[in-house]
Amino acid sequence: AQSVTQLDSQVPVFEEAPVELRCNYSSSVSVYLFWYVQYPNQGLQLLLKYLSGSTLVKGINGFEAEFNKSQTSFHLRKPSVHISDTAEYFCAVSDSGGSNYKLTFGKGTLLTVNP
Amino acid sequence: DADVTQTPRNRITKTGKRIMLECSQTKGHDRMYWYRQDPGLGLRLIYYSFDVKDINKGEISDGYSVSRQAQAKFSLSLESAIPNQTALYFCATSDFGSAQETQYFGPGTRLLVL
Repeated sequence: AQSVTQLDSQVPVFEEAPVELRCNYSSSVSVYLFWYVQYPNQGLQLLLKYLSGSTLVKGINGFEAEFNKSQTSFHLRKPSVHISDTAEYFCAVSDSGGSNYKLTFGKGTLLTVNP
Repeated sequence: DADVTQTPRNRITKTGKRIMLECSQTKGHDRMYWYRQDPGLGLRLIYYSFDVKDINKGEISDGYSVSRQAQAKFSLSLESAIPNQTALYFCATSDFGSAQETQYFGPGTRLLVL
């Protein structure tokens, strides 16, 4: 079984500042890792995913994440945020084997970008 | 048009009532899922279905049932709603056989049980 810990429930930042949303996972097997974003009153949208290969993954809207196997982390970063990035962000993990359809989600991080 | 739709988008009901939430998809995916989202708890899997004849319980299936009427339709029922089932419910789909089954989510149904 996997678990995901999102270390910050809320992250307030000013527009154009950099941001890092932290995610740690626990698993006894190899994993796939995901970040989803939920804008107000909308469903979840895939931001980026790590399956294998390069540990630096680039996603939509200028976000990127780095997989660190030794630290069991998958932190999400953006060098300069916009007001429109205000949303809730969810880190998720699945195993990379036969049960890869089962996503385990973190509790979410609410990113608020202030002018 | 959205690929994954959910109806209704909002619903208020009373304790003890039966209620059905519906999900339809035009993505042609085999697999469908129902999740529940509670503030501060993230998303938890209620049920999932690999095809019309293959339905499986998730981590929090008690108090819920599902029906896969067709490949494109997956309904979630609360036989006798209770207040702690007040939550935001999401349907999702994924495509079996792709390198990794990215899940695509509907817009959600906000349910309030009084």
